[in-house]
Amino acid sequence: QTVVTQEPSLTVSPGGTVTLTCASSTGAVASGYHPNWLQQKPGQVPRLLIYSTNKKQSWTPARFSGSLLGGKAALTLSGAQPEDEAEYFCLLLDGGAWFFGGGTKLTVL
Amino acid sequence: QVQLVQSGAEVKKPGDSVRISCKAFGYTFTTYWLHWVRQAPGQGPEWMGIIFTNGGSTTYAQNFQGRVTMTRDTSTSTGYMELRGLRSEDTAVYYCAREINFEWALWGQGTPVTVSS
Repeated sequence: QTVVTQEPSLTVSPGGTVTLTCASSTGAVASGYHPNWLQQKPGQVPRLLIYSTNKKQSWTPARFSGSLLGGKAALTLSGAQPEDEAEYFCLLLDGGAWFFGGGTKLTVL
Repeated sequence: QVQLVQSGAEVKKPGDSVRISCKAFGYTFTTYWLHWVRQAPGQGPEWMGIIFTNGGSTTYAQNFQGRVTMTRDTSTSTGYMELRGLRSEDTAVYYCAREINFEWALWGQGTPVTVSS
């Protein structure tokens, strides 16, 4: 069974840049894994930011971008805002099943 | 308004079953697949499975095979998820989410399920 690994926690300064990554135990993450990135704030429903590696929703702030980086899926936040403090989950498709990462708790401080 | 509306919170005893509904509004129900996901307190989400709403076929996550059944009623645009043999570790918020072309853009509000003796 695929295990998806994310950094447990990261800290970024306001206005700074940070990259969150998402690795698969089965090998390098490629476009066929269709990485999704979701943001979840306490007590709220997960909200989709990015799908299929780098496609954005209409509500996704321009400061968020998705990519593949060194065999992992990556979510880059450029120009962090206080409201970006949240947990971020990646979601990968592997062998017909979907797998969530454990999440990255992002602190903006 | 495009939304998924789930049934209300449940409290169950170990060994019980729970059935949660997810009603779609504002779009053609059979155009999108419907996933079920759960999130235990303080944990990341866990994918439970998918129902292909047009034909009704399903794929379940390995961890839930034999214990979960997903169905849908196209006449009411509603999906259902039944989980049997509940144990305390099944205490979680259960979500439905629609997906098309690998885009998980719409989620239900979540249904808390508490399993306690």
